Amino acid sequence: EDQVTQSPEALRLQEGESSSLNCSYTVSGLRGLFWYRQDPGKGPEFLFTLYSAGEEKEKERLKATLTKKESFLHITAPKPEDSATYLCAVGSNTGKLIFGQGTTLQVKP
Amino acid sequence: DAGVIQSPRHEVTEMGQEVTLRCKPISGHNSLFWYRQTMMRGLELLIYFNNNVPIDDSGMPEDRFSAKMPNASFSTLKIQPSEPRDSAVYFCASSSQGLRNIQYFGAGTRLSVL
Repeated sequence: EDQVTQSPEALRLQEGESSSLNCSYTVSGLRGLFWYRQDPGKGPEFLFTLYSAGEEKEKERLKATLTKKESFLHITAPKPEDSATYLCAVGSNTGKLIFGQGTTLQVKP
Repeated sequence: DAGVIQSPRHEVTEMGQEVTLRCKPISGHNSLFWYRQTMMRGLELLIYFNNNVPIDDSGMPEDRFSAKMPNASFSTLKIQPSEPRDSAVYFCASSSQGLRNIQYFGAGTRLSVL
């Protein structure tokens, strides 16, 4: 069964304190690993997609990496505006995205 | 582009009433997805369409839920009759094969069934 598990469920950081979010997955026929950001009261906003092990993508303070079993979202020197829920999803060969439960990040000034 | 547009943003109704949620996908996208998000179950796919045709409705919880896509620029999700356990945020997303299936989400409809 296709499955996505994110950890931790919640993360509190001080501004400038770097950390990583984990996304472990099992899927039959990976068709991309997707990271989204969701702010309260809004829809998920696309951040990155990764398609093969070893691939990395960067955007401002965020960097996503991918292995055959998991993906990491590294946050370097976060700011309060990085506070949000980060969702990971895998695309399967059925054409669907399977989402994890998300990691809620709070960055305190 | 205005992005995916959903209406209404909020809906409060009484148990037993019919509820219709609406979605306008991004122009040119050929796939449309309806999701439901709750604290307990996270983001769940209900149904998706390719080129206006329903492909997979295995996530639709029961016969009270139905979805249509009469044309490439409009879709509805209907709940009849509604129940309190249907209270959730419903999202619509669209994608294009040309964009490697990246899904773009609307702002959602927050449904409260009393």
